Amino acid sequence: QVQLMESGGGVVQPGRSLRLSCAASGFTFTNFPMHWVRQAPGKGLEWVAVISFDGTNKYYADSVKGRFTVSRDNSKTTLFLQMNSLKIEDTAVYYCARAADYDILAGFDYWGRGTLVTVSS
Amino acid sequence: DIQMTQSPSSLSASVGDRVTITCRASQSITSYLNWYQQKPGKAPKLLIYVASSLQSAVPSRFSGSGSGTDFTLTISSLQPEDFATYYCQQSYRIPLTFGGGTKVEIQ
Repeated sequence: QVQLMESGGGVVQPGRSLRLSCAASGFTFTNFPMHWVRQAPGKGLEWVAVISFDGTNKYYADSVKGRFTVSRDNSKTTLFLQMNSLKIEDTAVYYCARAADYDILAGFDYWGRGTLVTVSS
Repeated sequence: DIQMTQSPSSLSASVGDRVTITCRASQSITSYLNWYQQKPGKAPKLLIYVASSLQSAVPSRFSGSGSGTDFTLTISSLQPEDFATYYCQQSYRIPLTFGGGTKVEIQ
């Protein structure tokens, strides 16, 4: 069965960096675009970034553009999110999610359990 | 960016009630609208995609309709496990955007 498992969250000071990982299994990873979606405590869902199946196309929310970088290692079926210059408002649970189709614009049909990132001094 | 507006933001209902949640897009998104259910402490779950297609294993009491800018999620007979927060999301254009959510609570 499809499984997505995030890791790498934690407490970090403003301005520092953190790298999240999402280990995927149970499906052909190389066939699907992958997304990061976040949720601040007690708030709604916010899309963060998407990467195409082969890693050639990447798109970001304006709120993270220039600070976050999405990447993937298809040989290790792992998705990454490099987060630099972190701000307090980046505090959230970060989910990785699979695109429901081969299109990067498709919805999200499988989600990980999420990893909490807390940015605090 | 395409803004997604859900209403109501919360509602109280009883088991067996018919529940309707609406979602409005700031511009036409044709049928590129998805619905998710999220329970506390859990990841969201895809219920409906492209406005009206039921995701695999989702009970048939859930249905979606609409096109253009106005969409609806209907639960025909509310069950105890349906008390949750529901989000709409447009997949018409990057950046992908979500509605603010509708919390369905027990009356």
